[in-house]
Amino acid sequence: NAGVTQTPKFRVLKTGQSMTLLCAQDMNHEYMYWYRQDPGMGLRLIHYSVGEGTTAKGEVPDGYNVSRLKKQNFLLGLESAAPSQTSVYFCASSYSRREPQHFGDGTRLSIL
Amino acid sequence: GENVEQHPSTLSVQEGDSAVIKCTYSDSASNYFPWYKQELGKRPQLIIDIRSNVGEKKDQRIAVTLNKTAKHFSLHITETQPEDSAVYFCAASYGNNRLAFGKGNQVVVIP
Repeated sequence: NAGVTQTPKFRVLKTGQSMTLLCAQDMNHEYMYWYRQDPGMGLRLIHYSVGEGTTAKGEVPDGYNVSRLKKQNFLLGLESAAPSQTSVYFCASSYSRREPQHFGDGTRLSIL
Repeated sequence: GENVEQHPSTLSVQEGDSAVIKCTYSDSASNYFPWYKQELGKRPQLIIDIRSNVGEKKDQRIAVTLNKTAKHFSLHITETQPEDSAVYFCAASYGNNRLAFGKGNQVVVIP
C-alpha cells in the first residue's frame, strides 16, 4: 500500500514552460486535493476533486488546471509557468470530507 | 471562507515540559479539526483530530481540546521529547469538502 505518490519529486522550469504534476493514490479515496506550501504561508488549496470526473477551485487556482479522469489519479497542470509558482506542491486524498487527508511527499518546483 | 489562526508562531520548550498550541477559527459551521506534524523536508502527517461532537481527545502524550463557543481548539503535548521538534499545523473544515490550514507553529524542544 503506497498511499499517495507524487511525481516528479523535483523539477526546474523556465518561465513560460508548461508541465504536469501527477498524484496517484491506492486507497480508493473519493476526495483529492492539490496544495501549495510557501514559507510562512501554511498550506493553501489550489484545486480539489470530490470524485472521478469532478474538479473545483480552491483558494489560489489562477495559473493552474486539474483533471481527474480516473479515481486514483489527480493531475495538476501549469499552463505557462511563472516565478511566483515556485513552491512545494502537496497532493492529498481522503475517504470523505470529515476523514483525515493523507499527503504525498511533495514536489519541489522551481521556476527561473 | 474559513480563517484559521495559530498562536504562538514559534514555541521553545525544555525537554520534559509541556507544549500548548492554540488555534482559532471563524466559521461556526466547522465540524472537523485535524492537527498535522511536519518535519523538515517531509510531508505533513496527521497526529490527532477531533470532531465537533467531542470536547477533548487524547492519544498517549498528545491531546486536543475544542471550545466551540469560543471557536478555538488547542494541541497539548506532554513530556516533550527532541523528536517532537517540528512544525505543527491546525486545520478546520469549511464548505462541504475543504480544510483551511493555519500558518503553522515551529516547536523546538531543547534537550
